[in-house]
Amino acid sequence: DVKVTQSSRYLVKRTGEKVFLECVQDMDHENMFWYRQDPGLGLRLIYFSYDVKMKEKGDIPEGYSVSREKKERFSLILESASTNQTSMYLCASRTSGRAIPNEQFFGPGTRLTVL
Amino acid sequence: AQKVTQAQTEISVVEKEDVTLDCVYETRDTTYYLFWYKQPPSGELVFLIRRNSFDEQNEISGRYSWNFQKSTSSFNFTITASQVVDSAVYFCALSEASEASGTYKYIFGTGTRLKVLA
Repeated sequence: DVKVTQSSRYLVKRTGEKVFLECVQDMDHENMFWYRQDPGLGLRLIYFSYDVKMKEKGDIPEGYSVSREKKERFSLILESASTNQTSMYLCASRTSGRAIPNEQFFGPGTRLTVL
Repeated sequence: AQKVTQAQTEISVVEKEDVTLDCVYETRDTTYYLFWYKQPPSGELVFLIRRNSFDEQNEISGRYSWNFQKSTSSFNFTITASQVVDSAVYFCALSEASEASGTYKYIFGTGTRLKVLA
């Protein structure tokens, strides 16, 4: 079974702190994604990575950066956390599927609260 | 613009009732893919189905069925004889190829929360 794990289920941080959210998948997937989920807004794509060290902005990248130094790990970084970044963060991975978009496998999510 | 609309925010049904979750999409692509995911209370989204734009046949999997109608840009999901375990948030999603890398990404709808009451 594909396993996508996220470093924390719940996280509380202070405004201005640098925050790292880690995601690890164990199925050698090429593509990895970070979303945030907010009530009434569904899932919105922050960043995705299609290979090691390769990344692309999603729909709402402002205030975030990402890092993918190893294939299995994709990190989301909040350089200076703000209260409007309080949200549920979901990581997903998928095989490359250049011709056909395959299904994504999701982690359990990290609920981040910024005070 | 690419867009997915799930107009039903929340639906409540009594166990054993049938329920249909609506999904309407907008796309400029001639080839595209549609998905449904389930998010149970535990939070982890689970893949249910993928359908490509060339296959308009309805699909049935146990109590679940999907109706894809290109003419109305809809991909609706029906649960027959609903059960309490079907209570979850259901998301519809549309594929979109990145212009920069060609990687497929997804546009999700806002989700429909289904509550099945015993």
